[in-house]
Amino acid sequence: DVKVTQSSRYLVKRTGEKVFLECVQDMDHENMFWYRQDPGLGLRLIYFSYDVKMKEKGDIPEGYSVSREKKERFSLILESASTNQTSMYLCASSLSSGRSYNEQFFGPGTRLTVL
Amino acid sequence: KQEVTQIPAALSVPEGENLVLNCSFTDSAIYNLQWFRQDPGKGLTSLLLIQSSQREQTSGRLNASLDKSSGRSTLYIAASQPGDSATYLCAAPTQGGSEKLVFGKGTKLTVNP
Repeated sequence: DVKVTQSSRYLVKRTGEKVFLECVQDMDHENMFWYRQDPGLGLRLIYFSYDVKMKEKGDIPEGYSVSREKKERFSLILESASTNQTSMYLCASSLSSGRSYNEQFFGPGTRLTVL
Repeated sequence: KQEVTQIPAALSVPEGENLVLNCSFTDSAIYNLQWFRQDPGKGLTSLLLIQSSQREQTSGRLNASLDKSSGRSTLYIAASQPGDSATYLCAAPTQGGSEKLVFGKGTKLTVNP
């Protein structure tokens, strides 16, 4: 079974702090994703990576950056946390494109609160 | 631009009932569609991925169908149980077989004992 793990289930940070969210997958997937999920807004894509050191902005990249130095690990960075970044953050992975079977697998989520 | 809609937003049924969850999408030129389950405060669990060539996919008491011509997918749950209570989300590629997905906002299902 595919396993996607996230470094923390719950995180509380202060405004202005630099925050790192880590995601690791164990199935050698090329693609990795970071989403945030908010009530009434659903899941929104923040960033997408299709290979090591390759990234693409999603729908809401402002205030975030990402890092993918190794295939299995994808990090989301909040350069200066703000209260409007309080949310549930979800990481996912999938096999590469060129297939119609690009099933996404999700981690357990990180509930981030910025005070 | 792909848009995915799930109606109703919430559904409550008695245990044992068969039920259908609906998902509609605007761009029908997709290669597949995926259904997920989400329990409160948790991540998403993949239930089924239907490829456009398959039109239907089954896993246990779950059956998902895909009709690209009408822009609709349905998730059928047979003999519902209280443990099926969760939010069910569908997701379609932004276009074709894109790796990026657009998610519906989900249907919150409650199965009453």
